[in-house]
Parts: sequence; C-alpha cells; structure tokens
Amino acid sequence: KNEVEQSPQNLTAQEGEFITINCSYSVGISALHWLQQHPGGGIVSLFMLSSGKKKHGRLIATINIQEKHSSLHITASHPRDSAVYICAVVQGAQKLVFGQGTRLTINP
Amino acid sequence: KAGVTQTPRYLIKTRGQQVTLSCSPISGHRSVSWYQQTPGQGLQFLFEYFSETQRNKGNFPGRFSGRQFSNSRSEMNVSTLELGDSALYLCASSFPDRVTEAFFGQGTRLTVV
Repeated sequence: KNEVEQSPQNLTAQEGEFITINCSYSVGISALHWLQQHPGGGIVSLFMLSSGKKKHGRLIATINIQEKHSSLHITASHPRDSAVYICAVVQGAQKLVFGQGTRLTINP
Repeated sequence: KAGVTQTPRYLIKTRGQQVTLSCSPISGHRSVSWYQQTPGQGLQFLFEYFSETQRNKGNFPGRFSGRQFSNSRSEMNVSTLELGDSALYLCASSFPDRVTEAFFGQGTRLTVV
C-alpha cells in the first residue's frame, strides 16, 4: 500500500462543474503540498498546508490532520484546469512523498 | 526573480553511458532536491542537498549520485545507464531550515536507447 493515496486517478468533467480530488496518507507529516503538472512536465506548487484550509482564486485546499486526509476543490472548472494534480507529503527535512496523481480533464 | 533552471531540457543517451544533469536553484534557496518521474512509478525522491552535503537519500541504486556546489547549484549523475532510467528528472529548491512552498524546475527528460 502506498504511503500517499489519491482518488480518483482519472476525472473527466464538464466546464463549470465543481471538482474534488482526495488525498489520504498513512505517515506522519509536517506539511502537505498540492501540485499541478501540465503536459511538458513542469510542476507548479498550488498550496502548502499544515492545517485548516487555504483558498486561491477558484482553488480550495483543506487538510484534516487527525484523519490524515486532504482535499483539493476546484470551483467553476475550466478547460485550462486540465492537468495532473499531485498530492505530496513532507517527511523530515524537505523529503516529499508523492501520490500517484489525478489526471483531470475538463471538457468545454 | 528567476525560477529553478534545469539543463538540459532533453537528452538522449545510449545504454551504458553516463549522464550529468544540472539544477540552478532560486536565488537564496540553499536546499535542492531531485526527483525521478516515470509512468510506472510516478514521482520518487532521489536525494536532497544542503550546504554541499547530502541530507536525505531515496531508495535508488548507487549509480545515481549528486553533488552541490558552494553557490547551491546542484548536479546529479547517473552512471551505466539502463533503459529503465528513461524518465523526467525534476529538481526543486527551497529554504533548508523550514518547510516552505516547493519550487520545481521544468525538468530534464532523459531517454535511454
């Protein structure tokens, strides 16, 4: 069993839909990252969380430390949101452990 | 402020050769981490350097090595390349003494033929 599990692995939705991607982890962490990867490979950090909730534009990320669970929500989804979303937990000093990623496709 | 710069972006090598990849961190960032991304295994941690010293190491064979220079730039080396080493290699830089947002480079896509 992977230390970091994401669901779903693939998600296709229509433009405007509310999107939720989930991440569960089984190890102790100091923080959790949500990352976005577009075709071509470049990775962008969307959020870093150690507790509670963060919002940036149409993106919202939450974390429940007791339940070892985090969610990434996208409101009013748009085709440009199509990407792979990766959850990564921070262990120790700067070591990231990654989920397998969620491939999101938003159709116009 | 310049981002994390990785060179080269693309590389094709033959089995048995060795390769060196370079990563220049964001100015002021002294921690550099390296990751391998393959379709089968996803993203995996290779190693992390701070102040020219390796602080953390993932579960990769000794053919994978790295180093960091006094200006925080880092290189990773893979010797005796295997077909399975074909991957996207990403580096990320951050401040070393606290958990912060991770800044990734665009990656080097290595193909071993």
